Amino acid sequence: EAGVAQSPRYKIIEKRQSVAFWCNPISGHATLYWYQQILGQGPKLLIQFQNNGVVDDSQLPKDRFSAERLKGVDSTLKIQPAKLEDSAVYLCASSYTSGVETQYFGPGTRLLVL
Amino acid sequence: KNEVEQSPQNLTAQEGEFITINCSYSVGISALHWLQQHPGGGIVSLFMLSSGKKKHGRLIATINIQEKHSSLHITASHPRDSAVYICAASYYGGSQGNLIFGKGTKLSVKP
Repeated sequence: EAGVAQSPRYKIIEKRQSVAFWCNPISGHATLYWYQQILGQGPKLLIQFQNNGVVDDSQLPKDRFSAERLKGVDSTLKIQPAKLEDSAVYLCASSYTSGVETQYFGPGTRLLVL
Repeated sequence: KNEVEQSPQNLTAQEGEFITINCSYSVGISALHWLQQHPGGGIVSLFMLSSGKKKHGRLIATINIQEKHSSLHITASHPRDSAVYICAASYYGGSQGNLIFGKGTKLSVKP
């Protein structure tokens, strides 16, 4: 069974530029999560999708971050414009349902904003 | 405020030692997760538990609901166990899948 795929693995941009990350969850998983992990901290949920609907985006900085999951499978997370404090690892995870169950994580995208 | 706290932050052990990592949380969790993160970022789920104890190979996870505390134990530690171990809680209220993560415990096992 293929795992959660993410791309790119690494990205370096200058502040005020825009960037987009892509995630392909495990086949059949209805729930998809985007997390932000700043160095030395645990992951923080940015947004949770159930199929193509948003379940929780309370911690997403909506003035600069956006995410979509149009067909209920792949998802993209965009930052526009980026700030220095956005430097982090962006993790995508998926699970079969939105209930209490194991989440499967992708390898992450490491973003450095200069 | 729903929080998860781990201790210690950093842990160095000699190969073969018994290791314990602790996690405390606020009330009202529906499940407690233990995850492993290797250098490079990939996270693997180790355990999900809501009561009692679970064992997988040399790893054991326990939870005490009354004390709001969970532990992850590694028996006969090995250098390949070196990683960051993260505790996360699913809290009642809001999305059950929404995990609150601890900051992680960085484990280094020396040969």
